[in-house]
Amino acid sequence: DIQMTQSPASLSASLGETVSIECLASEDIYNNLAWYQQKPGKSPQLLIYYASSLQDGVPSRFSGSGSGTQYSLKINSLESEDAATYFCLQDSEYPWTFGGGTKLELK
Amino acid sequence: QVQLKETGPDLVQLTQTLSITCTVSGFSLTTYNVHWVRQPPGKGLEWMGAMWNGGGTDYNSAFKSRLSISRDTSKSQVFLKMNSLQTDDTAKYFCARQSERYPGPPLGYWGQGVMVTVSS
Repeated sequence: DIQMTQSPASLSASLGETVSIECLASEDIYNNLAWYQQKPGKSPQLLIYYASSLQDGVPSRFSGSGSGTQYSLKINSLESEDAATYFCLQDSEYPWTFGGGTKLELK
Repeated sequence: QVQLKETGPDLVQLTQTLSITCTVSGFSLTTYNVHWVRQPPGKGLEWMGAMWNGGGTDYNSAFKSRLSISRDTSKSQVFLKMNSLQTDDTAKYFCARQSERYPGPPLGYWGQGVMVTVSS
C-alpha cells in the first residue's frame, strides 16, 4: 500500500497569513493527489484534485502543487472559516490512502 | 442535485454484522463509482472499498474477507456489510461518489455519514 505522510500534524496561524501543508507519498503517485477540508461533525469537502486542479466553488486562495512523491496545499490570506482539519488522499493506486491530517487553528 | 445518504444502526454488538445503506439521487449507479470510507472518532480517514459502475467491487485488504459491498440499481442503493465487528470498528461510515472522468475529483460528493458504535 502507498503510505501518505502528512505534515505538520497541527498548525496555528493568524488571519491573513499564508500556510502550507505537505504530503509525502511512499512512491510516485503521478499527480493523483487530492486535498480535503473537514470541519467537526461534517463530511470532508474536496478542495483540490489531480494535485493542482481547483474543485468548482472552492475559493482561489486554496492552491495545490507538487509532483512525484511530494505535494503541498497552500492557503493564502487565511480567513476564520479556514479553521478545520485537512487531509490528502492518493487515488493513484488501490487501496486509496489518506494522510494523517493537519489540524489548522486560527489564532 | 447529487445527494448520498447513509442509513444504518447507531449501535452494533461485538462480533455481530454491520449493515449500512447508501441511497443516492441525482445520478445513476451505472455511470458512477461509489466508495466507502470510515473515520474512527478523532482519527483519520480510511478507504474501505468501492462499487464500480459496471457492478464489480474492490476492497481494502485490511478488511480481509469481513467486508462485502453490493448494490440495487433499481433503488439507487449501495450496501456495505461487515461481519465480526470489533470495538475498533467504531467509526463514522461515509459513502462518496467518484467522478466519471479522469483526471477528475476522486471523491467529490459525500454523504453525511453514519456513526456506528460497537458495544460489548
